[in-house]
Amino acid sequence: DTGVSQDPRHKITKRGQNVTFRCDPISEHNRLYWYRQTLGQGPEFLTYFQNEAQLEKSRLLSDRFSAERPKGSFSTLEIQRTEQGDSAMYLCASSSLVAGGREQYFGPGTRLTVT
Amino acid sequence: GENVEQHPSTLSVQEGDSAVIKCTYSDSASNYFPWYKQELGKRPQLIIDIRSNVGEKKDQRIAVTLNKTAKHFSLHITETQPEDSAVYFCAAGGSGGGSQGNLIFGKGTKLSVKP
Repeated sequence: DTGVSQDPRHKITKRGQNVTFRCDPISEHNRLYWYRQTLGQGPEFLTYFQNEAQLEKSRLLSDRFSAERPKGSFSTLEIQRTEQGDSAMYLCASSSLVAGGREQYFGPGTRLTVT
Repeated sequence: GENVEQHPSTLSVQEGDSAVIKCTYSDSASNYFPWYKQELGKRPQLIIDIRSNVGEKKDQRIAVTLNKTAKHFSLHITETQPEDSAVYFCAAGGSGGGSQGNLIFGKGTKLSVKP
């Protein structure tokens, strides 16, 4: 499968715990995005990378959230001290600047449940 | 920042009829408008997109129109089939909203095609 992959697909955690998600973009896609989607809503932008540089962060991304893309390939999103309001689907997408950079292809998401 | 409004929130049509979903955006600097289809429990799937230098684009039974002056764009699905049933999201992106990369999504339209 050469599409965007995410791991894990599901995560249940207790409030206050830290969680980390991983995203592997389509090979050679240099842009990588993180979105959050709650039930009945469209995806909400969190942050994006071009290669290893984090170019933008949404106001939605509180200090408890941090994202990295150390080698310009896969990315991780960490949530510290999780809260019940963090429960959502976390989606990753990638695009290729070389190919025009506009079409974003999504992964299957990581569904987070905070109890 | 950019805001995208999408209507209707639900749409029910008979198989074979046409379906139209409309979106408006607020930032005139937005220049890229993709549409995604999301089936229950699955990732958003890019189905068609349009850039601001084009007024209309068609791909088989799907077409998108863009009116830059009025800042609205629409998705048209002809000869609908039951497998078209899903939630459809419009989005706007580009240099608007202070970002070069992220997409701002509408809240989605749940399309039901009755056989």
